[in-house]
Amino acid sequence: AQSVTQLDSQVPVFEEAPVELRCNYSSSVSVYLFWYVQYPNQGLQLLLKYLSGSTLVKGINGFEAEFNKSQTSFHLRKPSVHISDTAEYFCAVSVSTGRRALTFGSGTRLQVQP
Amino acid sequence: NAGVTQTPKFQVLKTGQSMTLQCAQDMNHNSMYWYRQDPGMGLRLIYYSASEGTTDKGEVPNGYNVSRLNKREFSLRLESAAPSQTSVYFCASSTDRTGELFFGEGSRLTVL
Repeated sequence: AQSVTQLDSQVPVFEEAPVELRCNYSSSVSVYLFWYVQYPNQGLQLLLKYLSGSTLVKGINGFEAEFNKSQTSFHLRKPSVHISDTAEYFCAVSVSTGRRALTFGSGTRLQVQP
Repeated sequence: NAGVTQTPKFQVLKTGQSMTLQCAQDMNHNSMYWYRQDPGMGLRLIYYSASEGTTDKGEVPNGYNVSRLNKREFSLRLESAAPSQTSVYFCASSTDRTGELFFGEGSRLTVL
């Protein structure tokens, strides 16, 4: 079965600074990878996804992520964060064969400070 | 476009009471899911339904039952609520090819 590890439970950062949220996965078959964002008291919305092709994926709100198969990682980056980026971010994986239900990491809370 | 709609948004139960969370999607997706979200644990799959008439257990199914009423609707039932079921519950539906999920806004359940 697949699994996801988000290495940081909380990441504090100052406004306009760059940020990287780390995600590693484990799977014996090919994967699809996702990042979701959850703003306070809301549901989850898709930031970006990797299905195939280019390993650098661009998403909404200026975020991007890079799929690294050799390191089994899918880290999320933004060059300059805004106060409105304060939220919880979840990395998730599904597999290309069999059951497609997403497996989620435990989440990273991004706290952007003025 | 409503997407995925869950009801109720908030509920307080006493231990031993029963209740049903309702979920409907209007995106013509075959697959539907129920997850629970607890602090520090991410989202954990309770049950899912790959198509109308089929349901399967996820990671944490104990204490729950589900019904896939038709292609649009997927309900989650707690027969005898326990304090350990205090959580935020999310319903989701997905495209079959990649598993990308579309979420409802969540239902916050407190069991006293």
